[in-house]
Amino acid sequence: DIQMTQSPSTLSASVGDTVTLTCRASQSINYWLAWYQQKPGKAPKLLIYDASILQSGVPSRFSGSGSGTEFTLTITSLQPDDFATYYCQQYNTDGTFGQGTKVEIK
Amino acid sequence: QVHLQESGPGLVKPSETLSLTCTVSSDSFNNTEFYWAWIRQPPGKGLEWIGSISYIGKSYKQSSLKSRLTMSVDRSMKQVSLSLRSVTAADTAVYYCARDRGPGNRLDSWGQGALVTVSS
Repeated sequence: DIQMTQSPSTLSASVGDTVTLTCRASQSINYWLAWYQQKPGKAPKLLIYDASILQSGVPSRFSGSGSGTEFTLTITSLQPDDFATYYCQQYNTDGTFGQGTKVEIK
Repeated sequence: QVHLQESGPGLVKPSETLSLTCTVSSDSFNNTEFYWAWIRQPPGKGLEWIGSISYIGKSYKQSSLKSRLTMSVDRSMKQVSLSLRSVTAADTAVYYCARDRGPGNRLDSWGQGALVTVSS
């Protein structure tokens, strides 16, 4: 099975900061990767798919990059609504999620 | 617009079967482009992909759950169902259904989730 590892587990940041979250796959997944945002008590929301394609309706301050085994999600000019937990998911083989990165207010 | 709604018992006894239904309000249910996925999240923990099924019943399942898992589809009701046998406390979680641009692809619409607790 493909394992997904996200880092860091928690990230403290301020409004206006630019933050980068990392997701690594245990083997190559090409660009078959999605990023989701989840807020407490809510279902996850798709942000990015195929590693770098912005889902319709998602603000352009979110961007994704990477291929193979290493991927990043960058949030430019962090907004109050962006404090949440972010998960990556590979869908090269079935659909494994990473363990999540919580972005909290510094 | 896609709306998904999970339903089922909130409490299941250990060793019994957990059963959930997802009702899909969307014409995309009968579109072969889409699959319908189940994901779960234990309290305070991360997301776990369970499996995915098409409207004609072709399914993909997580390997560690395969022996206990059945997924099915009712096309007339636009529903997909999940049955997980021989449950333990480790199966306690919020269970989500989601639209899969599949098979086994990005999940672009999600239900609100249903908490299932395994306890005697």
